[in-house]
Amino acid sequence: DGGITQSPKYLFRKEGQNVTLSCEQNLNHDAMYWYRQDPGQGLRLIYYSQIVNDFQKGDIAEGYSVSREKKESFPLTVTSAQKNPTAFYLCASSIDTGVYNEQFFGPGTRLTVL
Amino acid sequence: DQQVKQNSPSLSVQEGRISILNCDYTNSMFDYFLWYKKYPAEGPTFLISISSIKDKNEDGRFTVFLNKSAKHLSLHIVPSQPGDSAVYFCAAGGSYIPTFGRGTSLIVHP
Repeated sequence: DGGITQSPKYLFRKEGQNVTLSCEQNLNHDAMYWYRQDPGQGLRLIYYSQIVNDFQKGDIAEGYSVSREKKESFPLTVTSAQKNPTAFYLCASSIDTGVYNEQFFGPGTRLTVL
Repeated sequence: DQQVKQNSPSLSVQEGRISILNCDYTNSMFDYFLWYKKYPAEGPTFLISISSIKDKNEDGRFTVFLNKSAKHLSLHIVPSQPGDSAVYFCAAGGSYIPTFGRGTSLIVHP
């Protein structure tokens, strides 16, 4: 079964701690993305990667970091510098970054900072 | 500044009737438009798309209309079913990463 997996589904962290969200895809897609969803805000792009070992900042990259060491994996680290990290995080992938290619989304991770 | 706007946060429709979800965009360079559907606590799934060379695209109960001069597109769902209750996101782009609107929550009442 091809698709995108995100883990964990729910994540709690104490203020001041870094936390890493996992995203894995077996669709053989070159492009991967991280979005954040807040109530009434839609999907806001955090980071994206067009190819292995390359990634670019999106609209709201401050306080986040990513890596793309393998084609199938694109983990997101929420650092203590992110002022309001409680949100629903979505990972997606597509054949490439062109808009003509639909994005496939994972089930999401809900992060709560206590 | 929002380049893709979904001005109705929510829409309530009776089962069997038509649902019309609207989306406006400001960037005239956008030439491809997509609709995604999202259930709570799940990731969005692709629903239907349209390129700027067309003004209509149909897929079963779902039809998207594009009015380029007005920079407006709409998603029609006929007939609406309770299982269509979800948040619908409009996305638009021009050969690069699409920009998403804020979504419209559709509730279809039995």
